[in-house]
Amino acid sequence: DIVMTQTPLSLSVTPGQPASISCKSSQSLLHSDRKTYLSWYLQKPGQPPQVLIYEVSNRLSGVPDRFSGSGSGTDFTLKISRVEAEDVGVYYCMQNTQLPIAFGGGTKVEIK
Amino acid sequence: EVQVVESGGDLVQPGGSLRLSCAASGFTFSIYAMTWVRQAPGKGLEWVSSITNSGGVTFYADSVKGRFTISRDNSKNTLYLQMNSLRVEDTAVYYCAKPGIPMRIVAHFDNWGQGTLVTVSS
Repeated sequence: DIVMTQTPLSLSVTPGQPASISCKSSQSLLHSDRKTYLSWYLQKPGQPPQVLIYEVSNRLSGVPDRFSGSGSGTDFTLKISRVEAEDVGVYYCMQNTQLPIAFGGGTKVEIK
Repeated sequence: EVQVVESGGDLVQPGGSLRLSCAASGFTFSIYAMTWVRQAPGKGLEWVSSITNSGGVTFYADSVKGRFTISRDNSKNTLYLQMNSLRVEDTAVYYCAKPGIPMRIVAHFDNWGQGTLVTVSS
């Protein structure tokens, strides 16, 4: 089974400053179809998760362009170019290249 | 509007059973595989089970295999999770999740319900 490891566990960011979250997988997430199925979710307090990024770097329609995803193989990064107050919550990476689907442990983002 | 709405969560004693439902609307339910994901109080997300669009093939996390059964009724646009032999560690909010790609069993989830709380306690 693939294990997903996220760092840091928490992040306190000044509004307008950038933030970066790392996600590492125990095996390559490159699928036989040559795509890499790594997605990022934000769970705001009291809400279900919402997808931000899929297949490493594709932003879902409606997601602000301050969010970007990058990476390949086993190392992935979510970047927020300028954090806003509405970005607080817990961020999760998820691999869906193979079953069992696996989530990272989460990174809690707070505003200073 | 795409919507999935879970129901059926309750307080149940260890060893008991419960059936969760997820009512889908706003999309062609029968062409999407569906998934249950759970979240224990204050904890992270855990994949529980997935089912193909036809219902013919199912997949389970080791932690629930042999105790939980996922199923669907495409005529009713509804997904189910039958939970038997419940344990204290099954206590969680259970989310129904729709993938962003039709037909594909493994894909990112672009729609989640609000979740339904299952509490297993004596």
